[in-house]
Amino acid sequence: LAKTTQPISMDSYEGQEVNITCSHNNIATNDYITWYQQFPSQGPRFIIQGYKTKVTNEVASLFIPADRKSSTLSLPRVSLSDTAVYYCLVGDAYSGNTPLVFGKGTRLSVIA
Amino acid sequence: NAGVTQTPKFQVLKTGQSMTLQCAQDMNHNSMYWYRQDPGMGLRLIYYSASEGTTDKGEVPNGYNVSRLNKREFSLRLESAAPSQTSVYFCASSGGQGTTRGWHNEQFFGPGTRLTVL
Repeated sequence: LAKTTQPISMDSYEGQEVNITCSHNNIATNDYITWYQQFPSQGPRFIIQGYKTKVTNEVASLFIPADRKSSTLSLPRVSLSDTAVYYCLVGDAYSGNTPLVFGKGTRLSVIA
Repeated sequence: NAGVTQTPKFQVLKTGQSMTLQCAQDMNHNSMYWYRQDPGMGLRLIYYSASEGTTDKGEVPNGYNVSRLNKREFSLRLESAAPSQTSVYFCASSGGQGTTRGWHNEQFFGPGTRLTVL
């Protein structure tokens, strides 16, 4: 399993763009990168997934460099409601043999 | 669709008591999972069921048993509860092979069960 490393916490002001970087130096060829968001007292929620380059949806963007040893989740113009824990996961999307592992995540605090 | 449902929402047990946490999903997913989350910690996988009829241990299986009753339902049993099992328990499910994002990646979580063992 590719191990991930991400900052424990981050603070941001409302309206700013937030970038959370995740390191995964031993990512394998078949591994995808997935990010989840968890609000207090709720289960995690899928945000975005990618394999290489850039992926964008209505919530966030995911930037993956060519070597794929890291990835950056970008949240545009955050609001107070984006305060949550963000988890970076790396794993094989199709083999089904080994489940993904959630680490401690990055606790994002958005300040007014 | 209700998605993933869990019962009960809250439970208080005494040490040594047993109980079963129930989980059901209505998304026709093949895979189901049980996690625990201790305060300030990430999620740790207890058991998972990649498909109906199969179950496998996760990171922290000791003290727990599971049953994949059918495709919809996946239960978690504590045979003899201990204070160390005080936690929030989340059930999740994900689609099978052939889904766009792969069968282990996009997991849908239930609301959680808050368990306290005294």
